[in-house]
Amino acid sequence: GAGVSQSPSNKVTEKGKDVELRCDPISGHTALYWYRQSLGQGLEFLIYFQGNSAPDKSGLPSDRFSAERTGGSVSTLTIQRTQQEDSAVYLCASSLDGLAANQPQHFGDGTRLSIL
Amino acid sequence: LAKTTQPISMDSYEGQEVNITCSHNNIATNDYITWYQQFPSQGPRFIIQGYKTKVTNEVASLFIPADRKSSTLSLPRVSLSDTAVYYCLVGPIMDTGRRALTFGSGTRLQVQP
Repeated sequence: GAGVSQSPSNKVTEKGKDVELRCDPISGHTALYWYRQSLGQGLEFLIYFQGNSAPDKSGLPSDRFSAERTGGSVSTLTIQRTQQEDSAVYLCASSLDGLAANQPQHFGDGTRLSIL
Repeated sequence: LAKTTQPISMDSYEGQEVNITCSHNNIATNDYITWYQQFPSQGPRFIIQGYKTKVTNEVASLFIPADRKSSTLSLPRVSLSDTAVYYCLVGPIMDTGRRALTFGSGTRLQVQP
């Protein structure tokens, strides 16, 4: 498809386990963003990539969270030793050029993460 | 950080025009104003973006006064399918500083028959 693709769409795991969330941005988009959205809440910014570099990691809530992007395309968000408060929808977005102020973001439909 | 303030919820009826205002008192010179729409279980979808004055596309209009401290999203003749949460986002997509991209809590629009 032509849009941002995220997998899995749903993930249920036990507390303490590690999880990996994947994002395939729109082809050619150099900027990629991860957000977290708790039930009924707004979006919380986590991290931003320009190419494979992450100039802004200020939103990562703890050192259990990490993200990488390879080949300027696919990105993986990893949460280690998951906690119940990590339960949320994790959204990925991409934009054509993160260095341009007026490039809108295109979002995937998210991964719904549930920690038991 | 360009914080935004929006009404938590609004109600309307089919066929009416809906105006949602977002306050952003500390908007910076290089900030754009972007509105997104989000349906349940979906990611936000871009609606419209502007810098100043008025912008119109096939789905909405965006009005921005000269001081840029607020903006108003106008949805003409809403239908039931416009029931969604609407977010106002202010900022450059890329900031060389450590400022994060922050969406507000959004405005939940409920359209009634």
